[in-house]
Amino acid sequence: GAGVSQTPSNKVTEKGKYVELRCDPISGHTALYWYRQSLGQGPEFLIYFQGTGAADDSGLPNDRFFAVRPEGSVSTLKIQRTERGDSAVYLCASSPMTGTEQFFGPGTRLTVL
Amino acid sequence: AQSVTQLDSHVSVSEGTPVLLRCNYSSSYSPSLFWYVQHPNKGLQLLLKYTSAATLVKGINGFEAEFKKSETSFHLTKPSAHMSDAAEYFCVVSDPLGTGRRALTFGSGTRLQVQP
Repeated sequence: GAGVSQTPSNKVTEKGKYVELRCDPISGHTALYWYRQSLGQGPEFLIYFQGTGAADDSGLPNDRFFAVRPEGSVSTLKIQRTERGDSAVYLCASSPMTGTEQFFGPGTRLTVL
Repeated sequence: AQSVTQLDSHVSVSEGTPVLLRCNYSSSYSPSLFWYVQHPNKGLQLLLKYTSAATLVKGINGFEAEFKKSETSFHLTKPSAHMSDAAEYFCVVSDPLGTGRRALTFGSGTRLQVQP
C-alpha cells in the first residue's frame, strides 16, 4: 500500500518568504507527527496531531511555525518569515493510533537562501 | 525528560564482520526503545522495537538489540555486515506505548560504513 508522502520533495526559498509543506499520511492513520532534521543531527519533534487537533505542539520553535490538519488526514506545516536557520529536512510520520509505530515519509528538504 | 546517547557518530566495518552500534538511554519511565535506519534519500525505516516484552529483540535484515536496564543500554548488533547495511542508524526512545508524550526522541545518529 501507499506510504506517507510529502510534497514538495525540495523547496528553495528566500529569507523572509512564506512556505507550506504538505504531508499525506497513510490512509486510516489517526495520528500524525512533524519532525525537523538538521544536517548531521537526528530528527527533532515539532508537533503531533490526533485527528484534527494538535495534541502536542511543544516542539514548535517559535510562533512563525504553524501546522493544521483540518479534516484529520492531510496536514500542512506553515512557516512564516523564513530564516536561514529554518533550512532542514522536514519529516512527517503517521501511526494507526496514538502510541504505536510511526511510519515516516521521505521528507521535504527546505533551503532558505 | 528522556534522551538517548549514541556513543559513536561513525562506525566502519568490513563486509561479513559483526556490527555493534551503541546506545544509552535516559528515561523517567520504563521506556519504549527503537532503532530506525535511514538510507540516503530514503525515509526512516523501523528496524526493531522494545516495548517491555522480551529483552532481546529481533528485527529486520538480521539485526537485533538487547535491552539492559541495569546498564541503561540498547545496543544494536548484527552477526555479519552486508554492503547494503551502509546507512545512518538512529536509536530512539519514547514514553511507554499508551502513556505519556507521544513524540519520539532521537539520538544524533551513527553512520555505518561497510567496506568490501
